Amino acid sequence: QVQLVQSGAEVKKPGASVRVSCKVSGDTLTKLSRHWVRQAPGKGLEWMGGFDPEDGETIYAQKFQGRVSMTEDIYKDTAYMELSSLRSEDTAIYYCATGLKKFPAMNDAFDLWGQGTLVTVSS
Amino acid sequence: QSVLTQPPSVSGAPGQRVTISCTGNSSNIGAGYDVHWYQVLPGAAPKLLISGNTNRHPGVPDRFSGSKSGTSASLAITGLQAEDEADYYCQSYDSSLSGPVVFGGGTSLTVL
Repeated sequence: QVQLVQSGAEVKKPGASVRVSCKVSGDTLTKLSRHWVRQAPGKGLEWMGGFDPEDGETIYAQKFQGRVSMTEDIYKDTAYMELSSLRSEDTAIYYCATGLKKFPAMNDAFDLWGQGTLVTVSS
Repeated sequence: QSVLTQPPSVSGAPGQRVTISCTGNSSNIGAGYDVHWYQVLPGAAPKLLISGNTNRHPGVPDRFSGSKSGTSASLAITGLQAEDEADYYCQSYDSSLSGPVVFGGGTSLTVL
């Protein structure tokens, strides 16, 4: 049974960076398309970016370009999402999710989700 | 402001049928891209309900169904139950600068 286990909650000051990890168990990270989605308090789901294993490309939502970086350590089967220049509006639950692999990576359904990581940005 | 428009809220009595719409345009749903649906219960991660417009994900009750026509998609829930009270989101691909992955703004379902 494949599971995604994320790192714990973080509290950061404005202007700082945060790195959230997402460890895959029960499968190999390299086989999976993986995405990061966030949900701010009282707001909807917001896609931040994703990795397509077919072409090895990582695509970021325009809103986060220049501030977000998605990487991975294949030997640890762990994906990372780093967001810099944090501001209060970045307070949210951050989720990693993997694709169903039945559709192109950027039009895929996300069938497996991590438990979420709460990132709080406050001075 | 999402490029996929959902009603902010819908409601229904137990046993009734409700539908949630997801309206897009020619750069997303209207261009033929697939639509997926998620349920988000309070305090929980999103759960995939429907993939590829109409395909119920394993383990999802057959009370949930999806459809798509033109620039819109819909999620229907029949035999409404108290446990269905949650937020629902549609998701698709968008070829404009809004994408490529876009979610609807979400719909809060209240079971009366």
